[in-house]
Amino acid sequence: QSALTQPASVSGSPGQSITISCTGTSSDVGSYNLVAWYQQYPGKGPKLMIYEVSKRPSGVSNRFSGSKSGNTASLTISGLQAEDEADYYCYSYGGGVTYVFGTGTKVTVL
Amino acid sequence: QVQLVESGGGVVQPGRSLRISCAASGFTFSGHGMHWVRQAPGKGLEWVAIIWYDGSKKYYEDSVKGRFTISRDNSKNTVSLEMNSLRAEDTAVYYCVREERGFFDYWGQGTLVTVSS
Repeated sequence: QSALTQPASVSGSPGQSITISCTGTSSDVGSYNLVAWYQQYPGKGPKLMIYEVSKRPSGVSNRFSGSKSGNTASLTISGLQAEDEADYYCYSYGGGVTYVFGTGTKVTVL
Repeated sequence: QVQLVESGGGVVQPGRSLRISCAASGFTFSGHGMHWVRQAPGKGLEWVAIIWYDGSKKYYEDSVKGRFTISRDNSKNTVSLEMNSLRAEDTAVYYCVREERGFFDYWGQGTLVTVSS
């Protein structure tokens, strides 16, 4: 199973909005609404930011939102803040015991 | 609150074995499938293994099949990964992860396994 494709890096100025794409296939992203997004700071474990395409766990800022169209999922961070600078990984369930992560995107706040 | 604390990582020579463990607390451990996910230095996340909530089923990523064994003890709220015939490419931070209905909701802080002579 190949990794989901994400841009290597995305940047934006404070207050701006950015969107990270996550492209999979009809066997994973396109078939299931089990898409999630994780934020990871250096040396730390990943933190769940979005699950089931667009749901936010309790405690996650509403500046984070998720969506999906066909085989591509997206994470949008609005009102970009310095603390958003981190690595972001998408994830999709792929059926059976298939669990696929994205290649990761480094978000830089300019 | 949910806590997952990994332990047991370290430096091991190629071909040798290592066992890492994860102590879980703050939730009904026996109600969740548990996974190990690893991250090689500077690389992305890679799923390694899953064990069913009751330990009845176990599945592995192809490159570790036959070398790694996942287990759990629901009486002690622990999950372990026995790693045999270790290779340089197994070098990574290994995360203990809780599954919630097809996605991963809580992750530990990770334990570093370095395979080197």
